[in-house]
Amino acid sequence: NAGVMQNPRHLVRRRGQEARLRCSPMKGHSHVYWYRQLPEEGLKFMVYLQKENIIDESGMPKERFSAEFPKEGPSILRIQQVVRGDSAAYFCASSPSWANVLTFGAGSRLTVL
Amino acid sequence: KNQVEQSPQSLIILEGKNCTLQCNYTVSPFSNLRWYKQDTGRGPVSLTIMTFSENTKSNGRYTATLDADTKQSSLHITASQLSDSASYICVVSVTSGGSYIPTFGRGTSLIVHP
Repeated sequence: NAGVMQNPRHLVRRRGQEARLRCSPMKGHSHVYWYRQLPEEGLKFMVYLQKENIIDESGMPKERFSAEFPKEGPSILRIQQVVRGDSAAYFCASSPSWANVLTFGAGSRLTVL
Repeated sequence: KNQVEQSPQSLIILEGKNCTLQCNYTVSPFSNLRWYKQDTGRGPVSLTIMTFSENTKSNGRYTATLDADTKQSSLHITASQLSDSASYICVVSVTSGGSYIPTFGRGTSLIVHP
């Protein structure tokens, strides 16, 4: 079991470009959470997804950000037209449907130039 | 509004000393409380999980306590080691419609000096 896999680990984008971050949950986990961590800040909830469903997106900015967790394949966090303020570490966590046991990935660090 | 407050924000101690980190929460309805350790540049790793009925839980040199009446938890680290230097995050979860919604504290940054 490889745990929660996130890629890329590091991503550099110029302002206005798109960033796509991928998260493969642990085997058997059907729930995915995305968090953002700014430098010197705590983890901030963004979105909670189950397969093909967005359960809670109250932490997602209303514009430019979207997330999906398709029936097949990884969950994807997409940021369109990135700005410098989007520079952060984005963590994905997964849990099984039957327990609140969050396992985190190593994170994807986005740098916007 | 569900909130999780941690103190102190940062802490510096000498190797071998003990320390206690605090977590106060207003999350409701309470499901469970978990302490995570996050090393620099890594994802958080779970240390302990406590439900409403549990008062104390240990994991090696880490001991977590929970007072559900006062909505307070503490994480006690005994005989600190250099590898304990990390951010410690308190996470309180509610259950809503069969789903778990965790609320994260901002963390306490612990530095252990030799």
